[in-house]
This record gives sequence, C-alpha cells and structure tokens, in this order.
Amino acid sequence: SQTIHQWPATLVQPVGSPLSLECTVEGTSNPNLYWYRQAAGRGLQLLFYSVGIGQISSEVPQNLSASRPQDRQFILSSKKLLLSDSGFYLCAWRGYQLGEQYFGPGTRLTVT
Amino acid sequence: QKEVEQNSGPLSVPEGAIASLNCTYSDRGSQSFFWYRQYSGKSPELIMFIYSNGDKEDGRFTAQLNKASQYVSLLIRDSQPSDSATYLCAVNVRGSTLGRLYFGRGTQLTVWP
Repeated sequence: SQTIHQWPATLVQPVGSPLSLECTVEGTSNPNLYWYRQAAGRGLQLLFYSVGIGQISSEVPQNLSASRPQDRQFILSSKKLLLSDSGFYLCAWRGYQLGEQYFGPGTRLTVT
Repeated sequence: QKEVEQNSGPLSVPEGAIASLNCTYSDRGSQSFFWYRQYSGKSPELIMFIYSNGDKEDGRFTAQLNKASQYVSLLIRDSQPSDSATYLCAVNVRGSTLGRLYFGRGTQLTVWP
C-alpha cells in the first residue's frame, strides 16, 4: 500500500530564515505530487505540482520554491521566510482511480 | 475561474441525526467529485468520491451528485460526535492541468451528544 510522509511535523522559524520541508511517498512509482498551504481559517491553496523528477509547475508567484530530486521525493523551500508564510503545509499524491489525492500528515509552520 | 462553494457553517446536529453537507461548482466540465474529512489540526482524509449522477452509499455516508444542477452533497446518517470535523468538497475538471483538484473552503460540522 502507498504511504506518504512529511517532516518535520512542526516548525517555528524566524522571519528571514530559510526553509526546507520534505515529502516522500512509498509504494508507488512516478506519482503526481502536490504541495498545498492551508492558512488559518482559509482553504487549501495549491502551491506546486510535479509529474516527475525535475518537473515542477508553480501555481502562484511567491518566495517559495519546490524541487523533485528523486521520483518519490518532493521538497518545498524558501530562502527567506515571511510572516505570511505561516500555515499548514500539505503534500499530496494523485491516486489512480478518478484523480483523487491523498494527503500526508502535514507540517505546521509558524514564522515569528 | 473554477469555483467550488460550500457553506462554511458551522453546522450543528444532535447525535443520531442526519447531517447534510452541500457543495456547488461552477465548471460544467467537472468530472469527478470528492469529499474529504479534516479533523482539527490534521490533514484531509478522503472519505467518498462520485462521478455519476445519483447516489453512492458507503456505510453511514451517502454522496449525491446532480450534474445538471452542478450540485454535490454528502449525507451522514446516524451522526456521531466523532464525525465532528470540517468537510471539504473537491472537483476534478476535465482537461485540468496535471490532475489538479479544486477545493471548497469546507463546512465545519459539530455533532453534539
């Protein structure tokens, strides 16, 4: 069966510091992968998606970037965090039935 | 603009009642429809999906789809306090880039004992 991992689970970072969040998927090959952000009291915002190694598409321009160095690894980064980057970051992979997505446990980021 | 609208709630029902959650969508090219449950502080969990008009039942959950009215709903029978969560509706639009889903903002459900 497929499993998706994210780490760290929680993170508190000062403004201006760098960020690296990691997502890995087990039990499937070459999945479509997605990064979302959920800010407090708001909906899910799609940030990036990837169909394969080195292939990244961005939904919104911002100070975040993503990379996919391996088939089942997806990384979200920032060089300098802003207060507005606080939120719940979710990684998801696309299933094979109707395009459903399965989410990882998430990383809660607080920028102070 | 592909919009998915849900009443934000909160929707409050007594234990044992039927909870009815509604979702409308703007794009007639929408093909598949998903319901996610999100407990406070946790990630969304897929609980139902539907793609044909009509009803689909899974245990206490029933998803209903009416493509002509661009409406999808989730019924929870015999509601339990453990059903208290935010429910997200999502749609998959034909031809959407790389399988992206469009999510509503969610309806918060509270089931009181």
